[in-house]
Amino acid sequence: DTGVSQNPRHKITKRGQNVTFRCDPISEHNRLYWYRQTLGQGPEFLTYFQNEAQLEKSRLLSDRFSAERPKGSFSTLEIQRTEQGDSAMYLCASSSQGSVSYEQYFGPGTRLTVT
Amino acid sequence: EDQVTQSPEALRLQEGESSSLNCSYTVSGLRGLFWYRQDPGKGPEFLFTLYSAGEEKEKERLKATLTKKESFLHITAPKPEDSATYLCAVQAGYSGGYNKLIFGAGTRLAVHP
Repeated sequence: DTGVSQNPRHKITKRGQNVTFRCDPISEHNRLYWYRQTLGQGPEFLTYFQNEAQLEKSRLLSDRFSAERPKGSFSTLEIQRTEQGDSAMYLCASSSQGSVSYEQYFGPGTRLTVT
Repeated sequence: EDQVTQSPEALRLQEGESSSLNCSYTVSGLRGLFWYRQDPGKGPEFLFTLYSAGEEKEKERLKATLTKKESFLHITAPKPEDSATYLCAVQAGYSGGYNKLIFGAGTRLAVHP
């Protein structure tokens, strides 16, 4: 299967700890997105990469959040000093710049629980 | 402000009972409207992209339509395996807007035998 993969699938951490999530996009996709989804809501945009460049960040992405995409391949999302309000599903998606359509393909997500 | 509203929030159907889900949107220059299916604990699964008013797309028991203000997802003779949350999202056509999807809160569909 060559879909988007995310690791870990679940993460439980104590408030104040740092966590890091990884996303591997579909291999030929040069665009990568991070979203956050809370219970009963649709995904909310966090940030966007084209190749290795981070081109857009949402207001939701506070200074405790940082994302990287070294060499334009996999991406990591780090949350420092986690808070209970960070508990959510973190979704990664990818798309192809060369495609005539604009759909984004999502990974299975990482469920974060902050206790 | 770009916005997507989905209705109803939840829908319960009997197997074989056809119905429609609504997605109303406000966006500056629609680039695309997307429908996704999401099962509990999983990421959204892409279903359809619609680009312009009057466009329709079909897949098995699902048919998506688009007008200038809303989109409908019609479900014909649903089966229990169609139970899921259906998400609608838009992509704006202005610079900085087409780098993200703006989602509605979804419609939770339950199909009972």
